[in-house]
Amino acid sequence: QSVLTQPPSVSGAPGQRVTISCTGSSSNIGAGYDVHWYQQLPGTAPKLLIYGNSNRPSGVSDRFSGSKSGTSASLAITGLQADDEADYYCQSYDSSLSGSWVFGGGTKVTVV
Amino acid sequence: QLQLQESGSGLVKPSQTLSLTCTVSGGYITGGYSWSWIRQPPGQGLEWIGYIYHSGGTYYNTSLKSRVNISLDRSKNQFSLKVSSVTAADTAVYYCARAGTTGTTYYFDYWGQGTLVTVSS
Repeated sequence: QSVLTQPPSVSGAPGQRVTISCTGSSSNIGAGYDVHWYQQLPGTAPKLLIYGNSNRPSGVSDRFSGSKSGTSASLAITGLQADDEADYYCQSYDSSLSGSWVFGGGTKVTVV
Repeated sequence: QLQLQESGSGLVKPSQTLSLTCTVSGGYITGGYSWSWIRQPPGQGLEWIGYIYHSGGTYYNTSLKSRVNISLDRSKNQFSLKVSSVTAADTAVYYCARAGTTGTTYYFDYWGQGTLVTVSS
């Protein structure tokens, strides 16, 4: 069980806006550690989508945006497209025990 | 463009040691970044295994720390992973990745394509 909780799945129609939540606690997101997001298309390696809560690497579409508040973070996808169908993971640092870099359990985005 | 490529044995017997190497091209592993291993069991999520600083210092996931070793080979621009006493639970796709930092956390900005390691007799 991940220390960062994501919904297993979200869906939306083409063109719609969907959001994915990433809920943590006072030992990770709530402690001020940054959140990062990855997109994993089927059969491929994860790709960095958002770093430092809200920053997009060069080449990532501005349809993807990230935010963080309190013990949670969110990834928003606007103008949903068929090729956005993928698994999305949040990632941060958890200071409990001896500390570790942790991922959320992942969210499958389906374009219906 | 930085590229990472995993290599190593795809089949390991239970209780033996898993060994993988990541070859970095298009950049130097001594260039100020840290280098990490991450795994993904079939149909499951991602698990961070550990990383090694460009200086050689290491930091491991506490749940794997007793069985994991990550090392650097600067002459070959490679870093390696060893996991000892493997069981079926170690069956996964193993990724190597470069770790950038925001100052409070690391993020993984370049990834290898991944290699499947199966633990089976």
